[in-house]
Amino acid sequence: GQQLNQSPQSMFIQEGEDVSMNCTSSSIFNTWLWYKQEPGEGPVLLIALYKAGELTSNGRLTAQFGITRKDSFLNISASIPSDVGIYFCAGQISGGSNYKLTFGKGTLLTVNP
Amino acid sequence: EAGVTQFPSHSVIEKGQTVTLRCDPISGHDNLYWYRRVMGKEIKFLLHFVKESKQDESGMPNNRFLAERTGGTYSTLKVQPAELEDSGVYFCASSQVILAGGPLVFGPGTRLTVL
Repeated sequence: GQQLNQSPQSMFIQEGEDVSMNCTSSSIFNTWLWYKQEPGEGPVLLIALYKAGELTSNGRLTAQFGITRKDSFLNISASIPSDVGIYFCAGQISGGSNYKLTFGKGTLLTVNP
Repeated sequence: EAGVTQFPSHSVIEKGQTVTLRCDPISGHDNLYWYRRVMGKEIKFLLHFVKESKQDESGMPNNRFLAERTGGTYSTLKVQPAELEDSGVYFCASSQVILAGGPLVFGPGTRLTVL
């Protein structure tokens, strides 16, 4: 089955630092998504990418859909303590009537104030 | 608008027992999904309902897992009998329309521990 390799597994950074994480796959995806999960909550969608090469920002977050359609990265600028959580990448192959997502293993982000 | 709700939030059971998880999707959302995350692993797809019909159950681990969606509203996921490897967090998600990257809204999850 399809697998996403997400790295790093965890990050410990100081408040104010920039963060970068990425996902790679041996399979092509038509959509890349980035989610954040906080304790006791389900994953919440941060950014959705629909086209190869697309670069999208959401506040301090920037994500790009790789031109090969097999990778994506997420950057967080000027991190703050509330950025703490687990970040998941997810890929989707569109078509048909299924919206099944393939997730990476997650990046645990810790921000020291 | 209420979000996706799941019950219980936590469940601790012994190997061999039965557990039933419940998901209430956002009202009007025809699509309902079950996902599971085993500790340290990725979140994995289990199955997809469109209204009351199973659209895709390719992710169900084995026949100890049974999902239902009565009347196309809430859904239940029963594990019988539970095994140690079934421990993990079970997420339910719902969406209104089939769109690539569309608003798939996740519930808070049910943390299942099998002892």
